[in-house]
Amino acid sequence: AQSVTQLDSHVSVSEGTPVLLRCNYSSSYSPSLFWYVQHPNKGLQLLLKYTSAATLVKGINGFEAEFKKSETSFHLTKPSAHMSDAAEYFCVVILNSGGSNYKLTFGKGTLLTVNP
Amino acid sequence: DTGVSQNPRHKITKRGQNVTFRCDPISEHNRLYWYRQTLGQGPEFLTYFQNEAQLEKSRLLSDRFSAERPKGSFSTLEIQRTEQGDSAMYLCASSFTGSNQPQHFGDGTRLSIL
Repeated sequence: AQSVTQLDSHVSVSEGTPVLLRCNYSSSYSPSLFWYVQHPNKGLQLLLKYTSAATLVKGINGFEAEFKKSETSFHLTKPSAHMSDAAEYFCVVILNSGGSNYKLTFGKGTLLTVNP
Repeated sequence: DTGVSQNPRHKITKRGQNVTFRCDPISEHNRLYWYRQTLGQGPEFLTYFQNEAQLEKSRLLSDRFSAERPKGSFSTLEIQRTEQGDSAMYLCASSFTGSNQPQHFGDGTRLSIL
């Protein structure tokens, strides 16, 4: 079985300060991991993906995430928050068992609030 | 920018009515997916197509739900005899064939059942 746990339902930061959104996964197989962002009443936009290449993954809008197998974590970070980063963020895993290498399993999401 | 397009964006209907949503994927993508997202939750997988073939359906997809992709391009999702519990955002995504391909999402159709 596979699952993904986002450790914080809500994170609030001040503009210009670092962002850390935490995600832990469990998977019997080598996972593929993604972060998506969702702005209000919009679809999901892919921020970045990890598929067993480099463990530090750089994404769009200054975000990056580090895959740590020993900690089963894939935390999302950004050095300096911008007001436009306020949104819901989803950590997502794909099971790599060969048969279901397309089915996304989403965490419950972390709402990021950025204060001026 | 020809991303994934979904219509309508919002649908309000009375309980018991039938509704149909449409999704136009990115034209080069072979795979098309439907997800459902309820308030405060992440999206949940409903079904997926490889070209025109529907290859998997989630247990979430009851008998009242049917999805088609007749020519391997656009897809429709129909819900018959809608119930209050069907109120949700219905998201469509598409991707290339292959392992771990990123899925590109549309803006969704928000369904409200009165």
